[in-house]
Amino acid sequence: NAGVTQTPKFQVLKTGQSMTLQCAQDMNHNSMYWYRQDPGMGLRLIYYSASEGTTDKGEVPNGYNVSRLNKREFSLRLESAAPSQTSVYFCASSYDRGVLDIQYFGAGTRLSVL
Amino acid sequence: KNEVEQSPQNLTAQEGEFITINCSYSVGISALHWLQQHPGGGIVSLFMLSSGKKKHGRLIATINIQEKHSSLHITASHPRDSAVYICAVRDSNYQLIWGAGTKLIIKP
Repeated sequence: NAGVTQTPKFQVLKTGQSMTLQCAQDMNHNSMYWYRQDPGMGLRLIYYSASEGTTDKGEVPNGYNVSRLNKREFSLRLESAAPSQTSVYFCASSYDRGVLDIQYFGAGTRLSVL
Repeated sequence: KNEVEQSPQNLTAQEGEFITINCSYSVGISALHWLQQHPGGGIVSLFMLSSGKKKHGRLIATINIQEKHSSLHITASHPRDSAVYICAVRDSNYQLIWGAGTKLIIKP
């Protein structure tokens, strides 16, 4: 049982390049999330998907797009990477977004944009 | 002002010491989470609580809803407890609001 799997673990991009971060969960969770973590700051929600077929903006969605491909997979795309997007990205999933949900996290993707 | 404040930001202690990490919040909440982020980056959920106290091994989490405050305690601390401990609260709109984390180092 792998839990939440993120790929890649590390990535270096040049300004203007595009890339997609992949996330998959095998826990049959309904909700999935993408966060970024920057030094000295708490996790900030980029986008979330409460259920298959739906996506919603979080706190810091600008510069990103997401796709909930199916119940298992939720990808994050940077169309034109900027240095301000250098960060560690975490994908998470939970059974639902209600009061009692606990989020399970992937190992993170460390992205540097030069 | 952040809606979720953790203190201290950094804490260094000797093995065996009793550790307390605090979390104060300013919004109405339905639940509070404590998570642990390992030095390698992985994040693990430790507790979710909405009232009272929970205990798991050497970890104890308490919450005082009236005072809008929660504490995470570690008894008989060990170097393997070294990590960043993160408090997050779920507000009335089901949004999770994250604290910035407390970096704990336990020296042998």
